[in-house]
Amino acid sequence: QKEVEQDPGPLSVPEGAIVSLNCTYSNSAFQYFMWYRQYSRKGPELLMYTYSSGNKEDGRFTAQVDKSSKYISLFIRDSQPSDSATYLCAMSPLDSGGGADGLTFGKGTHLIIQP
Amino acid sequence: EAQVTQNPRYLITVTGKKLTVTCSQNMNHEYMSWYRQDPGLGLRQIYYSMNVEVTDKGDVPEGYKVSRKEKRNFPLILESPSPNQTSLYFCASSLLPLGNYGYTFGSGTRLTVV
Repeated sequence: QKEVEQDPGPLSVPEGAIVSLNCTYSNSAFQYFMWYRQYSRKGPELLMYTYSSGNKEDGRFTAQVDKSSKYISLFIRDSQPSDSATYLCAMSPLDSGGGADGLTFGKGTHLIIQP
Repeated sequence: EAQVTQNPRYLITVTGKKLTVTCSQNMNHEYMSWYRQDPGLGLRQIYYSMNVEVTDKGDVPEGYKVSRKEKRNFPLILESPSPNQTSLYFCASSLLPLGNYGYTFGSGTRLTVV
């Protein structure tokens, strides 16, 4: 089962707010967890990547994985209008065949940061 | 610059007229894949290729063909396009298909079939 659930939004917050984006999943085999950012009329770009459980921080962005709850989060601190985009979570098992067992994407959350 | 290049960016065509969307990567990646993205449905994989001459179906392969004659190129062929193939298409590549390498996406091809 490869279902990944992600609230489509839109999520609208004022500039400077802390943003929390989330995904839930059902496949306990997922080990790699990623967040992609997609600007309008552009391809997704890899933003954050984590392996297994735990936190990872990169500047204003923090990715969090809770495998026991099958729940991942992306936090954005001091949000900026330039953060307005669609954020897609993605995940993969340890041994990916690349196709049906490869990267599984959430449908994306549309984020709007109001100036 | 490391990138995945798709052409054309925009295409309007008529039902039944064969078309090819090209995809090329300059990163010597083994793995390449095609996705379509539709509102409310997210990214859905069409075909993927693990290496030259090795291709396989993704989740929504009907109506599409691919080939991988060279490592850098992975064209998507629509032999007889239909209106339900109107979509935003993305090519992606990765060093390996394993999730830890991440995928590099092209800028997309917006296809309209009338």
